[in-house]
Amino acid sequence: KAGVTQTPRYLIKTRGQQVTLSCSPISGHRSVSWYQQTPGQGLQFLFEYFSETQRNKGNFPGRFSGRQFSNSRSEMNVSTLELGDSALYLCASAPGRSGGNTIYFGEGSWLTVV
Amino acid sequence: GQQLNQSPQSMFIQEGEDVSMNCTSSSIFNTWLWYKQDPGEGPVLLIALYKAGELTSNGRLTAQFGITRKDSFLNISASIPSDVGIYFCAGQLYDSWGKLQFGAGTQVVVTP
Repeated sequence: KAGVTQTPRYLIKTRGQQVTLSCSPISGHRSVSWYQQTPGQGLQFLFEYFSETQRNKGNFPGRFSGRQFSNSRSEMNVSTLELGDSALYLCASAPGRSGGNTIYFGEGSWLTVV
Repeated sequence: GQQLNQSPQSMFIQEGEDVSMNCTSSSIFNTWLWYKQDPGEGPVLLIALYKAGELTSNGRLTAQFGITRKDSFLNISASIPSDVGIYFCAGQLYDSWGKLQFGAGTQVVVTP
């Protein structure tokens, strides 16, 4: 069973540009979440999608957005990049049910903003 | 930022020693999860706990879901060099599904 797949693995962008990251969840999983990891702030929740709808949202500015497709694959987008957006962006996959979800992470996309 | 208190922040141990770390929270969680992260990689799930008081093992790893549902601990027995990494606890509210609250991590260094 394939794990969570994220692309691209590494990327470098310039301030002011925008970036799109992609995530394919584990087969059968319908919940996809995104996290930002930085040395200073640790792992922070960005948003969660289920059945193509945003289900939860973290405390990030509107420059961070996402979407989910009918096959559960998800993308996140960051517009008008800032230096502080440099981070490891992690996608997480879960079955999507109440009462106990086991959540699996992808290897992440390393974003460097210069 | 972090809402879980995870301790210790780092541990330097000798190969063969046991390791213990814990997380506490002001929130009641429905699920506790423990992950290990190696440099440059995503967190790998070690153990998932779903019931208060539950004690679960995975090889040399043992984790428990605190009876108050506000804490959890992870033990590693007879540490080996590949146990090096950062260990994270994460709590999940009942209806949160993919949303986790993470501890700041415990960095484990194992010396031969």
